[in-house]
This record gives sequence, structure tokens and C-alpha cells, in this order.
Amino acid sequence: NAGVTQTPKFQVLKTGQSMTLQCAQDMNHEYMSWYRQDPGMGLRLIHYSVGAGITDQGEVPNGYNVSRSTTEDFPLRLLSAAPSQTSVYFCASSPAGNYGYTFGSGTRLTVV
Amino acid sequence: ELKVEQNPLFLSMQEGKNYTIYCNYSTTSDRLYWYRQDPGKSLESLFVLLSNGAVKQEGRLMASLDTKARLSTLHITAAVHDLSATYFCAVDMEGGATNKLIFGTGTLLAVQP
Repeated sequence: NAGVTQTPKFQVLKTGQSMTLQCAQDMNHEYMSWYRQDPGMGLRLIHYSVGAGITDQGEVPNGYNVSRSTTEDFPLRLLSAAPSQTSVYFCASSPAGNYGYTFGSGTRLTVV
Repeated sequence: ELKVEQNPLFLSMQEGKNYTIYCNYSTTSDRLYWYRQDPGKSLESLFVLLSNGAVKQEGRLMASLDTKARLSTLHITAAVHDLSATYFCAVDMEGGATNKLIFGTGTLLAVQP
């Protein structure tokens, strides 16, 4: 049972480049979210989904796009990377209802 | 805007001692979550508190929720080095079971021998 799988684990981008962070879960969870973690700021919600075809914005959505075409996958797209997007990104999933998230191992992104 | 505040932000304690981490939040919610993060690692779900007065215990950790005071506590009993980690509380930003969670800034716990 793989849980929540994020790829890549590390990435360096140049300012203005685009990329997609991949997230896949094999637990048939309805809810999926993307968070970024910056020192001293905890985790901040970027985007959120309650099921295939349904997404919503979180606290800090600007500069990021998401889509959810299947239950399993929830990719996060950076259209034009900026140094302010240097962070550790976590994908998480949970069943619908009152359950804690299962987090992926994270992607450490550096934008130079 | 929902705010979730933890204190202390950093806690250095000796093995065998007891201490409490506090989590205050600014909006009505009857659900609160606690997570643990080891250095350089991902987050692990510890507790899900679902109602006023809820109490959950796992080993040396006990979490409680007072929705009227908008306060949750994470109590550590007889700390051991293995408990050293960062602890986060999180609250549903819409007050219900949407799992759109807003996290506190975390409490870094260092247990010294």
C-alpha cells in the first residue's frame, strides 16, 4: 500500500519556468489538498478537492493551478515560477468525513 | 479570517517532565486535529477531536478540546527523547468536516536527557 506518492522529491527551477508537481494516492480517498510549508509559517493551504472534477482555492492559491480528473491524481501546476514559490510542498488525502490527512513525503522546490 | 495560534513556539524540556502545548483558534469549530512532524519528514496524524470535551490519549500524549473557549491542549506526560518533534494543530476553515485545514505555526519540542 503506497499511500500518497509525490514526485519529484527535489526540484530546482529558474524564474519563469513552469512545472507540475505530481501527487497520487491509492486509498480511494475523496479529499485531497496541497500545502506549502515555509519556515516559521506552518503549513498553508494552496488548493483543495473533494472529488474528481471539483476543486477549490485555499489560503494562497495565486500562481498555482490544479485539476482533478481522477480520484487518484491531484497535480499542482506552477505556470511561471517565482523565487517566492521556493518551499516544501505537501500533498495530502483523506476519506470524506472527520478523518486526519495522510500526507505525502513532500517535494522540496527551489526557484532561482 | 481564521487564525490558529500555538504556544509556545519552542519548548525545551527534560526527560520525565510534564508539559502542555496550547492551540487557540479564532472561529467556531467543533473539529480539531493534531499532527506530528519529525525533522525533514512528512506529517503524521496524531489525534482527531470531534466535539466539545473530546479527549484522546495515545501513550504519553493526551489531547483535549474546549470548543467554547476555542482551545485545544496537547499534554505530554513524563517526556522521553522520542517525543522530540514539531507538533501542529489544525482547524477546519469552514467549521465543519470539509478538511480544508488551517494549521498553526507549530511547536518545536526538544526533549533533553
